[in-house]
Amino acid sequence: IAGITQAPTSQILAAGRRMTLRCTQDMRHNAMYWYRQDLGLGLRLIHYSNTAGTTGKGEVPDGYSVSRANTDDFPLTLASAVPSQTSVYFCASREATGADTQYFGPGTRLTVL
Amino acid sequence: GQNIDQPTEMTATEGAIVQINCTYQTSGFNGLFWYQQHAGEAPTFLSYNVLDGLEEKGRFSSFLSRSKGYSYLLLKELQMKDSASYLCAVMDSNYQLIWGAGTKLIIKP
Repeated sequence: IAGITQAPTSQILAAGRRMTLRCTQDMRHNAMYWYRQDLGLGLRLIHYSNTAGTTGKGEVPDGYSVSRANTDDFPLTLASAVPSQTSVYFCASREATGADTQYFGPGTRLTVL
Repeated sequence: GQNIDQPTEMTATEGAIVQINCTYQTSGFNGLFWYQQHAGEAPTFLSYNVLDGLEEKGRFSSFLSRSKGYSYLLLKELQMKDSASYLCAVMDSNYQLIWGAGTKLIIKP
């Protein structure tokens, strides 16, 4: 079934540890996004990529990095996790031929202790 | 600045009609999206409006007034499965989505 997969589904992480959240899509979408969702704050954009080989910073990029080596994969790395990074992380993608729809992965629930 | 406002929570009765409002101020406008998000799940696309007026899709309709910076999502014949959060998002001039905080809809029997 075509779509977006994320791994892991959930993770408990000690503060200071490095962690990479994985995101893969098989729809050949050009643009990909990483959001975090916290209660009462809605979805906030962390980083995005409009096409393979390019990335950009969103609203809350500090403490996170991304890469886009190919069309399908868009990993998000926390270099040194802090408790304020406890959140639900969603990866999304869109074809990017205009004002088209973003489709979301199932999310990763991350707890940093 | 950019801002999207929607009510935090609404309650409605099974079988009834409910209207969820969204007002926005954004830099550029390439359309307004509504998503549904059940607890513990990912957002899923419901509707898209770029021109003024009403778009109907089964039990769900979405309305847009660009001059007023206003949209609403209308849900008819409410079912228990419609209990979810409804997210309003505006696509700005860079084709990025600016998100509201979401409206939690509680359906009572």
